[in-house]
Amino acid sequence: DGGITQSPKYLFRKEGQNVTLSCEQNLNHDAMYWYRQDPGQGLRLIYYSQIVNDFQKGDIAEGYSVSREKKESFPLTVTSAQKNPTAFYLCASSPFTGWREQYFGPGTRLTVT
Amino acid sequence: QKEVEQNSGPLSVPEGAIASLNCTYSDRGSQSFFWYRQYSGKSPELIMSIYSNGDKEDGRFTAQLNKASQYVSLLIRDSQPSDSATYLCAVNEGGGGFKTIFGAGTRLFVKA
Repeated sequence: DGGITQSPKYLFRKEGQNVTLSCEQNLNHDAMYWYRQDPGQGLRLIYYSQIVNDFQKGDIAEGYSVSREKKESFPLTVTSAQKNPTAFYLCASSPFTGWREQYFGPGTRLTVT
Repeated sequence: QKEVEQNSGPLSVPEGAIASLNCTYSDRGSQSFFWYRQYSGKSPELIMSIYSNGDKEDGRFTAQLNKASQYVSLLIRDSQPSDSATYLCAVNEGGGGFKTIFGAGTRLFVKA
């Protein structure tokens, strides 16, 4: 089955700890994205990547880091510098950046206390 | 700041009625427009994409685009309780940009 997987579904961490969220796709898509969604709000872009070994900051990149060592994988690290990390994190992929539709993974709900 | 505006709702319609969801966008250079459905606690699911002015139909869904008015809409015919969800409008960034800008969504309730 082709698709996007994110793990884990739920994640709990103590304040001050870094945490890495996994995103894998087998759709052979070039572009991958990370979004954050807070209750009652739209999607805010954290980072995106058009090709392997290249990525760009989105609108709210502070406190986050990413890597794109393989086409299939785009992990997101939420660092201790992110002031309000509790949120629903969504990974998406697209055949091309910007002009084509994006397909979303199931999401990871992160709670930091 | 490029924006996509949607009425947050909730929009409540009776079962079998037509639900009309609207969206306006600020970037005149945008070329691609999308509607996503998001059930509570789940991730967004693509339901329609539209690239040129006019109507595009897919089953019970019709997307309408008017670039001159910078307006996109989604009509859902014969609404079902299972259509109750938040509908997100998304617009690509024009001028060679690489981002997709999402609206905050409209909540739709279909009453049985």
